[in-house]
Amino acid sequence: DAGVIQSPRHEVTEMGQEVTLRCKPISGHDYLFWYRQTMMRGLELLIYFNNNVPIDDSGMPEDRFSAKMPNASFSTLKIQPSEPRDSAVYFCASSPGREGGKLFFGEGSRLTVL
Amino acid sequence: AQSVAQPEDQVNVAEGNPLTVKCTYSVSGNPYLFWYVQYPNRGLQFLLKYITGDNLVKGSYGFEAEFNKSQTSFHLKKPSALVSDSALYFCAVRDPLSGGYNKLIFGAGTRLAVHP
Repeated sequence: DAGVIQSPRHEVTEMGQEVTLRCKPISGHDYLFWYRQTMMRGLELLIYFNNNVPIDDSGMPEDRFSAKMPNASFSTLKIQPSEPRDSAVYFCASSPGREGGKLFFGEGSRLTVL
Repeated sequence: AQSVAQPEDQVNVAEGNPLTVKCTYSVSGNPYLFWYVQYPNRGLQFLLKYITGDNLVKGSYGFEAEFNKSQTSFHLKKPSALVSDSALYFCAVRDPLSGGYNKLIFGAGTRLAVHP
């Protein structure tokens, strides 16, 4: 089993640039989650999808953030324009609905905005 | 509001001693409770969950957790700590207001340091 795959693992960009983070969930999982982790705020749920449909995006901080899931095997989280306060580790996780909340996390994408 | 609290930022334990990482919850209805572990520069990994049944739940790597409804707690325990257990531990609860969807609310995390 390949696990949840995220890319890039590290991204350094300048303020104002567009950032796209990518996620491939585990095959057969019908939930996909995007989390952000920082020292100050801990682990925050940004958005999650069920069967490719966004269910709850109340955690998306601003209109600069957007997420898509065009099919069951791919999702993107986009930040445009990026700001230094967006610097964080962004995690994607997937889950089979039958597991009742057992999430499988990717290794994360560490974003630094200068 | 639905929430979990981890009252300790850090727990220090000597190798071979028992360890406890504390978690309390505030949830309407029956809680679904979880523990996850995060090693440095890695994603979170599932350890165990409580949904119903026995109050003592056994999980990965020799960890177990005890559900206590009267104290609204779900403490993580291990009889004998290993240096390799040193990591960040998160308690989580499934949000009952998410309509059955698997939305988890995570605590702030507790850093466990096991000393040789």
